[in-house]
Amino acid sequence: GAVVSQHPSWVICKSGTSVKIECRSLDFQATTMFWYRQFPKQSLMLMATSNEGSKATYEQGVEKDKFLINHASLTLSTLTVTSAHPEDSSFYICSVGTSGSSYEQYFGPGTRLTVT
Amino acid sequence: DAKTTQPPSMDCAEGRAANLPCNHSTISGNEYVYWYRQIHSQGPQYIIHGLKNNETNEMASLIITEDRKSSTLILPHATLRDTAVYYCIVRVGNTGNQFYFGTGTSLTVIP
Repeated sequence: GAVVSQHPSWVICKSGTSVKIECRSLDFQATTMFWYRQFPKQSLMLMATSNEGSKATYEQGVEKDKFLINHASLTLSTLTVTSAHPEDSSFYICSVGTSGSSYEQYFGPGTRLTVT
Repeated sequence: DAKTTQPPSMDCAEGRAANLPCNHSTISGNEYVYWYRQIHSQGPQYIIHGLKNNETNEMASLIITEDRKSSTLILPHATLRDTAVYYCIVRVGNTGNQFYFGTGTSLTVIP
């Protein structure tokens, strides 16, 4: 299956600053990537679908101006949390979607964001 | 929104089979059932998926009822490393292949 990496694995930032998280598909040409957020002891929540070369599609209730997604190549999607606040502290996970009847999503290891 | 319901937690003795149920009574005819698991503070790991037939791979077996309204994931010989949260997901294939995770089942394998 596809190997997905995320950078950084954890980050601490001050309130009001912006943080960029990278998601890389190391061995698969990913036209579609997904971004999830997970709060402690909760399930994964889909934030947005990232499409290579076009604008991301955000889920209802997710602020597109706060969570900027860029998918400029088939191997890289980035999520920028702008003007971060403590309530944005969470575990952010990306995934790569394959295609066809054997469709799968391969997940990255996640990025732990703490906003102080 | 998640289209599945699962029991919040289960225990299983090491070496025994773990049977994890999932209800997906509103599943459509062309929607697949996927199982993933998440070990604490890691990304989810793919286990298995199926449409209507039972499936088996090196990790697990997936049993889907004939009416497709429920399924069971079977880990044939549970080990301590199988302790994780297991998610049953119905893929919304016609609208972009998104996964909407439910609350999952926290499986604890007991020595």
